[in-house]
Amino acid sequence: GEDVEQSLFLSVREGDSSVINCTYTDSSSTYLYWYKQEPGAGLQLLTYIFSNMDMKQDQRLTVLLNKKDKHLSLRIADTQTGDSAIYFCAPRGANNLFFGTGTRLTVIP
Amino acid sequence: NAGVTQTPKFQVLKTGQSMTLQCAQDMNHNSMYWYRQDPGMGLRLIYYSASEGTTDKGEVPNGYNVSRLNKREFSLRLESAAPSQTSVYFCASYPSGGSPLHFGNGTRLTVT
Repeated sequence: GEDVEQSLFLSVREGDSSVINCTYTDSSSTYLYWYKQEPGAGLQLLTYIFSNMDMKQDQRLTVLLNKKDKHLSLRIADTQTGDSAIYFCAPRGANNLFFGTGTRLTVIP
Repeated sequence: NAGVTQTPKFQVLKTGQSMTLQCAQDMNHNSMYWYRQDPGMGLRLIYYSASEGTTDKGEVPNGYNVSRLNKREFSLRLESAAPSQTSVYFCASYPSGGSPLHFGNGTRLTVT
């Protein structure tokens, strides 16, 4: 299987930018997803990037992909208290998504 | 617009009891998945079904069985529950290509 690593915790002040990082091992991953999980809820797709892209922007979200270093990041601009959640990086394998441990983002008012 | 529906939402079992977790999707997706989520470990794949009539083991299949009853439904059975199976279980479905997985809201299972 694939190894996916993320930092466990990140704290930012409301209005600042948040950057959540992810490294993975399988260079054949074609799609790489970011999911958000709020307390007691399921996983909600935030955004994704195809492996032949370097960057994708979607409103406040920017995804950067460095395929050579197998590094994926999610930037949230103007972070709000409603962005407090766990964020999962999930590269797609042949039959599965591989999930990191998740990064718990805490937004300080 | 239900998406992926899991039942029950919560369950407490005693060691050795059996139960079936139910999952249904109304999006006509071919593939369905069962994951478990444990603190600090992300989601791990238990079993998946690429299409109706097929099932395959994932990363952590021991202690579980699955049934793909029809295209809509994919159930997960614990024959003899153990405390190590205390977890949050998520069902997901997926159409094809690069589309994302759609997740249910989870079943929180405690085995005492």
